Amino acid sequence: EAGVVQSPRYKIIEKKQPVAFWCNPISGHNTLYWYLQNLGQGPELLIRYENEEAVDDSQLPKDRFSAERLKGVDSTLKIQPAELGDSAVYLCASSLDVWGNEQFFGPGTRLTVL
Amino acid sequence: QQQVKQSPQSLIVQKGGISIINCAYENTAFDYFPWYQQFPGKGPALLIAIRPDVSEKKEGRFTISFNKSAKQFSLHIMDSQPGDSATYFCAASMEETSGSRLTFGEGTQLTVNP
Repeated sequence: EAGVVQSPRYKIIEKKQPVAFWCNPISGHNTLYWYLQNLGQGPELLIRYENEEAVDDSQLPKDRFSAERLKGVDSTLKIQPAELGDSAVYLCASSLDVWGNEQFFGPGTRLTVL
Repeated sequence: QQQVKQSPQSLIVQKGGISIINCAYENTAFDYFPWYQQFPGKGPALLIAIRPDVSEKKEGRFTISFNKSAKQFSLHIMDSQPGDSATYFCAASMEETSGSRLTFGEGTQLTVNP
């Protein structure tokens, strides 16, 4: 069974540039999560989707971050414009449903903003 | 807002020894307490989890001890092996109207020396 797929694995951009991350969850998983993980810290939830609906986006900085999950399968997280402080690992996870506590994580995208 | 506090930040153990990582939480509404294991360049993976209706859960060399009155839980790794060297995160969640949300601790970097 394929796990959660994320791309790209690494991204280096100049500040003020836009960047996008892509995630394909495990087949059949209705719930998808985007997390931010700073170096030496635990993951912090940015947004949670149930199918195509964002059911928890309270921690998403909406002035520069946006996300979408068209058709309730794969998802894209975008930052525009990127700031130096956005350098981190962006993790995608999925679970069978919003009540399913086991979340399966992808390998993440390491973003460096110069 | 740090709702789950984890210690120690780093831990060095000899092969065959016992590794102990502790977590404390504040929100008494939490009802699910998982431990995740993360290797460099990988996403976190569920290791073991417990609910507050039991005080201990054991899976192989891994045991969670839970103290509801003290609002603390811990991970014990028996017969620690070099392959256990990783970062460990405790987490907690509670069911909300929109589902469950995991809150992670800051992580413990475990090194098991051969």
